[in-house]
Amino acid sequence: GQSLEQPSEVTAVEGAIVQINCTYQTSGFYGLSWYQQHDGGAPTFLSYNALDGLEETGRFSSFLSRSDSYGYLLLQELQMKDSASYFCAVLPYSWGKLQFGAGTQVVVTP
Amino acid sequence: EPEVTQTPSHQVTQMGQEVILRCVPISNHLYFYWYRQILGQKVEFLVSFYNNEISEKSEIFDDQFSVERPDGSNFTLKIRSTKLEDSAMYFCASRGQGSPLHFGNGTRLTVT
Repeated sequence: GQSLEQPSEVTAVEGAIVQINCTYQTSGFYGLSWYQQHDGGAPTFLSYNALDGLEETGRFSSFLSRSDSYGYLLLQELQMKDSASYFCAVLPYSWGKLQFGAGTQVVVTP
Repeated sequence: EPEVTQTPSHQVTQMGQEVILRCVPISNHLYFYWYRQILGQKVEFLVSFYNNEISEKSEIFDDQFSVERPDGSNFTLKIRSTKLEDSAMYFCASRGQGSPLHFGNGTRLTVT
């Protein structure tokens, strides 16, 4: 099976940097994904790490270390619109389900 | 950019009624999913579908639920006899081989 753990909430001010950690227990998988979800909205794909290391997409970066069963999402130059829930998710080798973590609520304050 | 589309955006139904939620996945994707999210809770897996059959389902996906891909484009979720606790956002998602999941905007189901 799969389990993913991430912090429930992080609060930071505009312009700051936030790192959301995700630790997982799972067997073989293609990669680790990150999704953003605003209240009432659909999860929106942010980033995907198939290989170990850092992937950078604008203000957002994601990191994966398979040997440490660990990844993180880094949000830089925080903006008010970044207030949302962020989920890590593992895509298994089988054609089965993408399993989500419980989500981290990021609250950006002025 | 291609996207997953879901209809309707909001469905209100009475307890015991049947509902069908519709989805059009991204055209070259092979794997299809339904997830749901009860208000304030995390996104929960319901079922995955590949090669015209269910590949995996969760314990939530009981005999009241069924999925179908009636033609080459649509993917539907049917709830035969809705219960109050079925009220949730239902998200359809699709992906290609080894690629990330892309979600539709969801259908908000309200059972009264």
